[in-house]
Amino acid sequence: EVQLVESGGGLVKPGRSLRLSCTGSGFSFGDYAMNWFRQAPGKGLEWVGFIRSNAFGGTVDYAASVKGRFTISRDDSKSIAYLQMSTLKTEDTALYFCSRGGPYYDNNGSPIGGFDYWGQGTLVTVSS
Amino acid sequence: SYVLTQPPSVSVAPGETARITCGGGNLGSTTVQWYQQRPGQAPVLIIYYDSDRPSGIPERFSGSNSGDMATLTISRVEAGDEADYYCHVWDTSGDHVVFGGGTKLTVL
Repeated sequence: EVQLVESGGGLVKPGRSLRLSCTGSGFSFGDYAMNWFRQAPGKGLEWVGFIRSNAFGGTVDYAASVKGRFTISRDDSKSIAYLQMSTLKTEDTALYFCSRGGPYYDNNGSPIGGFDYWGQGTLVTVSS
Repeated sequence: SYVLTQPPSVSVAPGETARITCGGGNLGSTTVQWYQQRPGQAPVLIIYYDSDRPSGIPERFSGSNSGDMATLTISRVEAGDEADYYCHVWDTSGDHVVFGGGTKLTVL
């Protein structure tokens, strides 16, 4: 059974950093692009960014709203994807989800066909 | 950047058919995915590539995409279908992943 579990959320002051983890199981983690999303309280889904599989160089793309502040990485030996968040703002307060890219990709390893498995999310609250 | 427009809410009686739209310029030239998010839960992919269903998704859920509009159709609506529904496309420019604002489906 495919499972994704996020961890690392919590209360953090503005300007500080936080690292989230997404641990996968039940599938060949290294074969998939891994993605991060967030959902502010009472709001819709927002894409944060994704990291391609190492077969496609493990390259990353970010939403404009977090580019330069957030960094996504992966450790396939541990089946973990990370979201390093820096210079946090109050507007970064949200439930953060990770997901697996699938069921299909383009020739660049981008998950153009959607996101087929999601974790339950970890809550990040940025407040003084 | 690309914008997807969904109605904020749709209401339907049990057993009836619900149609949730997703509008965007020349949307039919790309492929649309749909997600269901029940209260307090993670999103679930219910339609990909305009009209394909992942394993385990009931046939009551179907999708179409043409021109400037994609439609998610839920036949024989059940109380358990009450959820927020989001459309999604992959945009080759700007932010790659674009979601509609979401539609809250209420089962009367």
